[in-house]
Amino acid sequence: DTEVTQTPKHLVMGMTNKKSLKCEQHMGHRAMYWYKQKAKKPPELMFVYSYEKLSINESVPSRFSPECPNSSLLNLHLHALQPEDSALYLCASSPADSNYGYTFGSGTRLTVV
Amino acid sequence: AQTVTQSQPEMSVQEAETVTLSCTYDTSESDYYLFWYKQPPSRQMILVIRQEAYKQQNATENRFSVNFQKAAKSFSLKISDSQLGDAAMYFCAYRSAEGNSGYALNFGKGTSLLVTP
Repeated sequence: DTEVTQTPKHLVMGMTNKKSLKCEQHMGHRAMYWYKQKAKKPPELMFVYSYEKLSINESVPSRFSPECPNSSLLNLHLHALQPEDSALYLCASSPADSNYGYTFGSGTRLTVV
Repeated sequence: AQTVTQSQPEMSVQEAETVTLSCTYDTSESDYYLFWYKQPPSRQMILVIRQEAYKQQNATENRFSVNFQKAAKSFSLKISDSQLGDAAMYFCAYRSAEGNSGYALNFGKGTSLLVTP
């Protein structure tokens, strides 16, 4: 299995909703990442988990809450989002101590209404 | 912080021709990794090619090759025999070799490549 699987592919949520994005990989990668990407822009790093511990939080608002329950799974819990949070959310993984690039998932397209 | 600059927002190439996408970066580190990623309309980011800074030899993957000039901090991507499926947004990315950055990738703003028949 050489894939990073993200669910759901599309999500529409209201500003008072609570939802979660899920990311799963079975490549044995011990580093996992959340990126946010606006249209026609590069991905922006949100969080990095290394060996299931949060190692980087790029000053992301608390309405985004990451969770790494085990080495294969990464969640992003969403609560009280704003319309400007609408974007493509990309998950990626990599070997923690390697110079290889990431493997990306195909993303979740989030729309906040 | 390292910055990655892609000075060509859009490029166009005819099928079967060759095109070169530019990328420059700014860093004070001596050891790092450079990548080119492709993002087609399907939105998945696909690794095209990678280069290790301590290797002088330019990386090559089939029709894709790089021109890595470490002193000039330049990392251009050459696509030979362009195909319609090469049409996508291309991102240049930098990754420090030092673990304190958490292996995060710094991306350039991207170059949109159009391939015409």
